[in-house]
Amino acid sequence: KAGVTQTPRYLIKTRGQQVTLSCSPISGHRSVSWYQQTPGQGLQFLFEYFSETQRNKGNFPGRFSGRQFSNSRSEMNVSTLELGDSALYLCASSLGQGLGNTGELFFGEGSRLTVL
Amino acid sequence: DQQVKQNSPSLSVQEGRISILNCDYTNSMFDYFLWYKKYPAEGPTFLISISSIKDKNEDGRFTVFLNKSAKHLSLHIVPSQPGDSAVYFCAASDSGGYQKVTFGTGTKLQVIP
Repeated sequence: KAGVTQTPRYLIKTRGQQVTLSCSPISGHRSVSWYQQTPGQGLQFLFEYFSETQRNKGNFPGRFSGRQFSNSRSEMNVSTLELGDSALYLCASSLGQGLGNTGELFFGEGSRLTVL
Repeated sequence: DQQVKQNSPSLSVQEGRISILNCDYTNSMFDYFLWYKKYPAEGPTFLISISSIKDKNEDGRFTVFLNKSAKHLSLHIVPSQPGDSAVYFCAASDSGGYQKVTFGTGTKLQVIP
């Protein structure tokens, strides 16, 4: 079955602009998590959505937001971009709950954001 | 506040030898631990996991050991192969693994042929 799809793969923005990233989870997966990866910081948890509800949120400013649609697809938005927002943004999906849920996350290839 | 720590940013091992990657955690509520492998330009892929009720889990060449009293886990790869060269992330969660997974900063493993 198709894996996690993230679009766009690469994008360049300037400070002050806003950006929207999209994630399509594996069919049947209802949980979508977002992570930011920067050199030396590993994967920093942004938020997790399940059935259109945000269940968990990391320690990021309010400029970072997200949402999940009824088909489980998710978007994240970053407003008023700063240079430090340059990173690889990874989306991961999982069953989210129930039998067969091992907690394993399935990651997409990421969206590489560069802020100039 | 780094709740999952991988203190070795890199590790080099000869092909055929054992690779040992270490991870420490501070949150005693973590009850599920996972290792992910990441190649450049790809997303991380799940490697192996362990529940806090166990102290060892094996899957082929990969074994994860958990020492709860020390809040320490390690990943052993035996024998190491050049294709194992990647960044390895240790991860932990406190909700059965599905709600919020906290990752370490990663260890870059290089297996030398």
